[in-house]
Amino acid sequence: DVKVTQSSRYLVKRTGEKVFLECVQDMDHENMFWYRQDPGLGLRLIYFSYDVKMKEKGDIPEGYSVSREKKERFSLILESASTNQTSMYLCASSWVSRGTDTQYFGPGTRLTVL
Amino acid sequence: AQSVTQPDIHITVSEGASLELRCNYSYGATPYLFWYVQSPGQGLQLLLKYFSGDTLVQGIKGFEAEFKRSQSSFNLRKPSVHWSDAAEYFCAVVPYSGGGADGLTFGKGTHLIIQP
Repeated sequence: DVKVTQSSRYLVKRTGEKVFLECVQDMDHENMFWYRQDPGLGLRLIYFSYDVKMKEKGDIPEGYSVSREKKERFSLILESASTNQTSMYLCASSWVSRGTDTQYFGPGTRLTVL
Repeated sequence: AQSVTQPDIHITVSEGASLELRCNYSYGATPYLFWYVQSPGQGLQLLLKYFSGDTLVQGIKGFEAEFKRSQSSFNLRKPSVHWSDAAEYFCAVVPYSGGGADGLTFGKGTHLIIQP
């Protein structure tokens, strides 16, 4: 079974802090994704990566950056957390390029910024 | 840009009754279509997907969906719901870009409530 794990289920940070959300997948997937989920808005794509050290902006990249130094790990970075970044963050991974393959999701990290 | 509309924010169905969740997409060509389910406190799980071929797609947990190009729809159905089907359901699309990864574009979700 594909397993996507996220470093924390719940996280509380203060405004202005630098926040790292970690995601690890164990299936040698090429692609990895970060989404945020907000009530009434569904899931929105923040960033994705199709290879080590490669990244592409999604629909809402402002205020975020990412890092992919190893194939299995994809980190989402909030350089200076703000209250409007309080949300559920979901990581996903998939096999091949072109985006047609199933994306497998982690359990999510619920981030609260005070 | 593609978009996905799930017109029903909440749906309440009696246990044992049939279910249909609506999904409409907006995209110039045929997109790739997905339905995901999110149970409380869980990540998303794929129910089914459509790329091409037979427009009626079978998925897990007894769900099926039908792609109708003329209506730009991909509605999810189940003939008889169980209490364990109570969850949030998301329809999603990804365009065929000819190369590279693409993130999913999700609808806003439909919250399914099952009445005993």
